[in-house]
Amino acid sequence: DAKTTQPPSMDCAEGRAANLPCNHSTISGNEYVYWYRQIHSQGPQYIIHGLKNNETNEMASLIITEDRKSSTLILPHATLRDTAVYYCIVRVVTGNQFYFGTGTSLTVIP
Amino acid sequence: DAGVIQSPRHEVTEMGQEVTLRCKPISGHNSLFWYRQTMMRGLELLIYFNNNVPIDDSGMPEDRFSAKMPNASFSTLKIQPSEPRDSAVYFCASTQVDTQYFGPGTRLTVL
Repeated sequence: DAKTTQPPSMDCAEGRAANLPCNHSTISGNEYVYWYRQIHSQGPQYIIHGLKNNETNEMASLIITEDRKSSTLILPHATLRDTAVYYCIVRVVTGNQFYFGTGTSLTVIP
Repeated sequence: DAGVIQSPRHEVTEMGQEVTLRCKPISGHNSLFWYRQTMMRGLELLIYFNNNVPIDDSGMPEDRFSAKMPNASFSTLKIQPSEPRDSAVYFCASTQVDTQYFGPGTRLTVL
């Protein structure tokens, strides 16, 4: 039960910003939004997470709408190495279950 | 920090053989997770431990699968006997507070 909806695939030109959307219309007040990515043949890699405020780290920015029913992961300057499957997950922070769903396959084009 | 360590990275075995996958979590992490990933089913949680105690094994497919965590720095996932449908990539992950960190995975092929 992934509880999130993401487009199956997206393309982005190298050097441009990649904006990956996620719908989580049934999110509860105590559930965080997490983003992971999985580069081919590697383990999933943590990117960022947030509750209601926008978040930024060295990898990406996370924009969460005011009603928290959707969010966008922004990779500000996509590189070829950002080609991966990106998973949006909602999770109670004290819980231990991560449901990964099918994610968005992002291809960065030279 | 070496991250989560898994071994072997690749395993090829014949149907009916016993397979043991190994995981060393990140030091100080108190939760450990075993996942399986296939093209058909995606990433599935098999079992997880808190403080070395199994908490939820509802994802373990059947009795052929078993997992142990004898101490805070080591866990095993055993399949006995193995079947071709067990072919998948098996990931181990450990958690500090609220973020899971994954190992590189073990690619298992059962012929």
